[in-house]
Amino acid sequence: EVQLLESGGGLVQPGGSLRVSCAASGFTFSSYAMTWVRQAPGKGLEWVSFISTSGDGTYYADSVKGRFTISRDNSKNTLYLQMDSLRAEDTALYYCAKDAGSSFCIFDYWGQGTLVTVSS
Amino acid sequence: EIVMTQSPATLSVSPGERATLSCRASQTVSSNLAWYQQKPGQAPRLLIYGASTRATGIPARFSGSGSGTEFTLTISSLQSEDFAFYYCQQYNNWPLTFGGGTKVEIK
Repeated sequence: EVQLLESGGGLVQPGGSLRVSCAASGFTFSSYAMTWVRQAPGKGLEWVSFISTSGDGTYYADSVKGRFTISRDNSKNTLYLQMDSLRAEDTALYYCAKDAGSSFCIFDYWGQGTLVTVSS
Repeated sequence: EIVMTQSPATLSVSPGERATLSCRASQTVSSNLAWYQQKPGQAPRLLIYGASTRATGIPARFSGSGSGTEFTLTISSLQSEDFAFYYCQQYNNWPLTFGGGTKVEIK
């Protein structure tokens, strides 16, 4: 059974940093691209970042480019999102999601999310 | 950036009736369009990809159509478990983008 478990969310001050993680199980992690999608309270879905199977290909939404860094450790079956220079508008539930293939950009399994709150 | 526009924002439908949801892209996305369902307090679930292919385990009452810039998700006979939010997502160009969503509520 595919499982994605996010962790690391919490309350952080504007300008601060946070790293969220996503532990994957139930599939061959290194064979699938992964992505982060966020959802602000009461709002819709916003794609944040994507990483290829090996980690050498990464993409970002303009809203986070230069501030967020996606990475993965295939030996630990874990996906990461390093978030720096956080802003109030980054407050959201952050989901990790598994690509349906090596790089289809279609997401067939999602975690339950980790909440990031940026506030003073 | 490709802007995805969904309509209506809210759709009120009686159980057993048909629901038709629309998604429009600001430029062509070919057939690189997916639909997701999200219920309150839950993660999104993939329904449709390639504009018209149902994901594994998705009931046949869900169907997708369209290409280019105009897409439709149809739920042929609404069941109680179908009342939820629905989002389209294009994957033709970076950055990936979602529509703003349609809420399907009980009439």
